[in-house]
Amino acid sequence: QKEVEQDPGPLSVPEGAIVSLNCTYSNSAFQYFMWYRQYSRKGPELLMYTYSSGNKEDGRFTAQVDKSSKYISLFIRDSQPSDSATYLCALNDYKLSFGAGTTVTVRA
Amino acid sequence: DVKVTQSSRYLVKRTGEKVFLECVQDMDHENMFWYRQDPGLGLRLIYFSYDVKMKEKGDIPEGYSVSREKKERFSLILESASTNQTSMYLCASTSDNEQFFGPGTRLTVL
Repeated sequence: QKEVEQDPGPLSVPEGAIVSLNCTYSNSAFQYFMWYRQYSRKGPELLMYTYSSGNKEDGRFTAQVDKSSKYISLFIRDSQPSDSATYLCALNDYKLSFGAGTTVTVRA
Repeated sequence: DVKVTQSSRYLVKRTGEKVFLECVQDMDHENMFWYRQDPGLGLRLIYFSYDVKMKEKGDIPEGYSVSREKKERFSLILESASTNQTSMYLCASTSDNEQFFGPGTRLTVL
């Protein structure tokens, strides 16, 4: 079993829709939870970062962590075509463990 | 802005060749990482380094070695390239818990 499970998609939504992305994990030692965004032919860049259970908002993005269920989510409200990218969850104990990434396409 | 650069964006090599992938960061970070990224598998850690001349194996070190002679430079070496090493290779350096990635090198081994 992988340490971090993420559905690779692909996910295609119309502009303005809410995008919901999820990861599950098995290692209780993970303390930091991150979401990276990767545009085509680019390296990943950090989108959001949290270390506690609950919600964290940043503009149209909300990261949610449920440590008891070992489940993390990323929600994108009012999605835009510029949000089309691959989204990777990443969890940190002493090193980062990444999910497989979910490819999202937002149709204009 | 942190900048992580990789020596090549695209590389084509033949089976058995020795391959060097170079990574340079300009923010004086101590920690540097090499990953490979494959469809459906995400990023997998090959090697990382916490300091000059220090190296640690990641999850998939077989077939690879690394060199860190200077703080800003971390090199990944494929001693004898094989077709199953065709992949996207990403270098990263770390500040606190954020990893800054380079643009990646797409390596094809024929």
